[in-house]
Amino acid sequence: AQKVTQAQTEISVVEKEDVTLDCVYETRDTTYYLFWYKQPPSGELVFLIRRNSFDEQNEISGRYSWNFQKSNSSFNFNITASQVVDSAVYFCALSEAGTDKLIFGTGTRLQVFP
Amino acid sequence: SAVISQKPSRDICQRGTSLTIQCQVDSQVTMMFWYRQQPGQSLTLIATANQGSEATYESGFVIDKFPISRPNLTFSTLTVSNMSPEDSSIYLCSVDREMTDTQYFGPGTRLTVL
Repeated sequence: AQKVTQAQTEISVVEKEDVTLDCVYETRDTTYYLFWYKQPPSGELVFLIRRNSFDEQNEISGRYSWNFQKSNSSFNFNITASQVVDSAVYFCALSEAGTDKLIFGTGTRLQVFP
Repeated sequence: SAVISQKPSRDICQRGTSLTIQCQVDSQVTMMFWYRQQPGQSLTLIATANQGSEATYESGFVIDKFPISRPNLTFSTLTVSNMSPEDSSIYLCSVDREMTDTQYFGPGTRLTVL
């Protein structure tokens, strides 16, 4: 069965601190996609990144980076020099190839204080 | 990404009534999805709506409670019927743009049932 675990319920940091949001997934498929979404207080869900299971290269986008480690089924999200605007709930999600169903983790609330 | 709008953005309803939520996309898409996010919780898929066919509901969701229409490739509605306070949630629609294997979400509808 598919499952996504985000063990960190809430993280609080002060601006400019680095932070890592953990995501561990379970799937029996060899082909799947992993996602991160951001949900700011407004409620809209913003797509951040998609990774397929065959691409283990880490990705960097400005202050954001993602570390995909297939060997331990993790897809962690790193924020460097956090800013107040990063405050949001972050969801990790999984879908298996051939299906459109997204399985979401329970989310991690990140609060960045000035 | 897709431009997705939802109406209403929020509503407060009395128990026993029904509310229809609209989702409009700026371009034609095959797959549209409806999710529920209960307060402080993650997102749960209610159903998948393809144009020209009956919606496919996930376990725990039934058509009588959440009827869905998909009259064309840019529009869908979700009705929450015979509402109770337990239906108070954010309801989000999403679309899977062709060839992207990525779901993009609308801004959500915040529903409060008194």
